[in-house]
Amino acid sequence: QVQLQESGPGLVKPSETLSLICTVSGYSITNYYWSWIRQSPAKGLEWIGWIYYSGRTSYHPSLKSRVSISIDTSKNQFSLILNSVTTADTAVYYCARDWGVTGRPGYIDVWGKGITVTVSS
Amino acid sequence: QSVLTQSPSASGTPGQRVTISCSGSSSNIGSNYVYWYQQFPGTAPKVLIYKDSQRPSGVSDRISGSKSGTSASLAISGLRSEDEADYYCTTWDDSLSGVVFGGGTKLTVL
Repeated sequence: QVQLQESGPGLVKPSETLSLICTVSGYSITNYYWSWIRQSPAKGLEWIGWIYYSGRTSYHPSLKSRVSISIDTSKNQFSLILNSVTTADTAVYYCARDWGVTGRPGYIDVWGKGITVTVSS
Repeated sequence: QSVLTQSPSASGTPGQRVTISCSGSSSNIGSNYVYWYQQFPGTAPKVLIYKDSQRPSGVSDRISGSKSGTSASLAISGLRSEDEADYYCTTWDDSLSGVVFGGGTKLTVL
């Protein structure tokens, strides 16, 4: 049974860097696409980006200048870095497995439970 | 303001058939697959429909999806109290080069 678990600080100061790790268990990360999605009352669901096990990435245009997703196949983990955060980045952050149908994100069959990240001084 | 437009709310009585719509444009729904998700408070979304109208194994056959032009719909027949949840549509947008979501529809079972 595939399980994903987000980990990282729940509180980040404005202008600092948000860093999260997703640990995948029950399945090798060397297949499928691995995504980060966030959800806030203000913006709803928002796709952040994804990474293929080869390291190929794609990011949402509105976040592209501040975001980086990386993968560590030896640890079966992938990570999210979001720089220069503001209060608008306060959200529940989910990591997820995406099938990448026709090479595009959208079909997510496994989600982590989500981690609440608050940006506040 | 979401790129995909959904009515904020929908409702029905047990046993009824309810349809939730999702409106987009030629750069998103009109040229890419649509996916539908169900979400209960405090939990992660769950996929109900992929590739416009396909149901993953384990999803009830009371659930169906369709698409026509730049709009998509999710239908739930034989409505039950456990269907009360938030429903989201999503797809790729060619102009944006990113995934877009609808604002979600809160379904109430009366």
